[in-house]
Amino acid sequence: GAVVSQHPSWVICKSGTSVKIECRSLDFQATTMFWYRQFPKQSLMLMATSNEGSKATYEQGVEKDKFLINHASLTLSTLTVTSAHPEDSSFYICSARTTEQGNTEAFFGQGTRLTVV
Amino acid sequence: AQSVTQPDIHITVSEGASLELRCNYSYGATPYLFWYVQSPGQGLQLLLKYFSGDTLVQGIKGFEAEFKRSQSSFNLRKPSVHWSDAAEYFCAVDNDYKLSFGAGTTVTVRA
Repeated sequence: GAVVSQHPSWVICKSGTSVKIECRSLDFQATTMFWYRQFPKQSLMLMATSNEGSKATYEQGVEKDKFLINHASLTLSTLTVTSAHPEDSSFYICSARTTEQGNTEAFFGQGTRLTVV
Repeated sequence: AQSVTQPDIHITVSEGASLELRCNYSYGATPYLFWYVQSPGQGLQLLLKYFSGDTLVQGIKGFEAEFKRSQSSFNLRKPSVHWSDAAEYFCAVDNDYKLSFGAGTTVTVRA
C-alpha cells in the first residue's frame, strides 16, 4: 500500500513554544490530508481536513489559530501547534487518501507523540 | 452523518482461540466500512475494507469481516489468534470522504 510518513515520531517542548509536525505522502499525491488527535485509550478525533492549495477545514471545537495547518504541495501537509500548553500533549496522527477506480482508501502516518512540559 | 459503534471495550482471548470483534454502523445507503489495527504508540494499519460486492471480505494477517446490511453490522473475525494480534482495533465508516472511528476494542491475548 501507499506510504505516509510523519515526522517527528515524538517531541518534547516547553510550554509557550510552537511545534511543527510534518506529514508526507511518499509514493502518491494526496490532494486531501487529515489530522487526528488521540488521547490515551481513546479513539481518533478528527481535527481538520487539509486540502492542497486552500485553507483547511476545521472540525467544531478545534481552534484554527491554535492548530495551524498548511498543505502547500500534493505530498506535504504540516500541523503547527502554536503556543503549546500541557493540555495540548497528545498523540497526533495524519492520514492521506488516494483514489482508486472511484473508491477511496486512507493511509496513516505513524503518529507523533507531543509532550508539553 | 454515519457513525460506528464498537460495543466491546476490551476482549481477552487465549492464543489459538477464535476472535470476533463487533461493529455496528448507522444507516447509510452504501456504507464504506473499514477495520484498522493500532499497536501501542503507532499509527493505524488497514486490515480490510468493504465498499461493495461480496459481503465477506478477506484482509491481511488472516482477518476477515462480514457485512450484514440486515443487522447493520461489520464484524471482524480471526479463526486463530496469535500473541502478535494483541492491539487496539478500530472500525471506521466513510463520512463524506472523512473517516469516523468507533471507540475501539482492546484485544489482549493470553498464553
